[in-house]
Amino acid sequence: EPEVTQTPSHQVTQMGQEVILRCVPISNHLYFYWYRQILGQKVEFLVSFYNNEISEKSEIFDDQFSVERPDGSNFTLKIRSTKLEDSAMYFCASREQGSNEKLFFGSGTQLSVL
Amino acid sequence: KNEVEQSPQNLTAQEGEFITINCSYSVGISALHWLQQHPGGGIVSLFMLSSGKKKHGRLIATINIQEKHSSLHITASHPRDSAVYICAVPPPYSGAGSYQLTFGKGTKLSVIP
Repeated sequence: EPEVTQTPSHQVTQMGQEVILRCVPISNHLYFYWYRQILGQKVEFLVSFYNNEISEKSEIFDDQFSVERPDGSNFTLKIRSTKLEDSAMYFCASREQGSNEKLFFGSGTQLSVL
Repeated sequence: KNEVEQSPQNLTAQEGEFITINCSYSVGISALHWLQQHPGGGIVSLFMLSSGKKKHGRLIATINIQEKHSSLHITASHPRDSAVYICAVPPPYSGAGSYQLTFGKGTKLSVIP
């Protein structure tokens, strides 16, 4: 069964450093998302991306965050200057065209900011 | 923004029991998602429903739009069903196409052999 792939599974970085989290969505999917979950807390929406542009973003997704689809397969989340509070599990998700389609999640990247 | 409440927060069941997990939300929506988060952290989408009932294997999800309430039922529960079950809703009146979801805190289910 096709799956969403995320790399790395665990990323450790120093506060203030830039990180790029990578995702390979399912090949025929057109809508891409990033969610995050701080340890012990609810899952939170960050951003949705369609047709090479952001379609929705949350208050969390400030100027320190950016997303990109640099080629036909990868979907990346960049955090320019990481803060301690950015430590979380980051999930990429994708779905097919249509308004009633299930999301397919990657297994997540655990980001630890020291 | 919608407020999403799930109950119970924790649930322990004996293998074979019928399980019900509840989700209520504060403002009208076009669709509701049920997700399963495995003990290892991975998330699987179980259902997306906008009315009535959906069934997949031993899982049944129902929604009552007027009462702003949804339930997830598991029949003949099994230890492999042990996970956190999360409901999530899009912004009020946003249409089913929005996946800017507000998530509940989840219900942690433990099924004992």
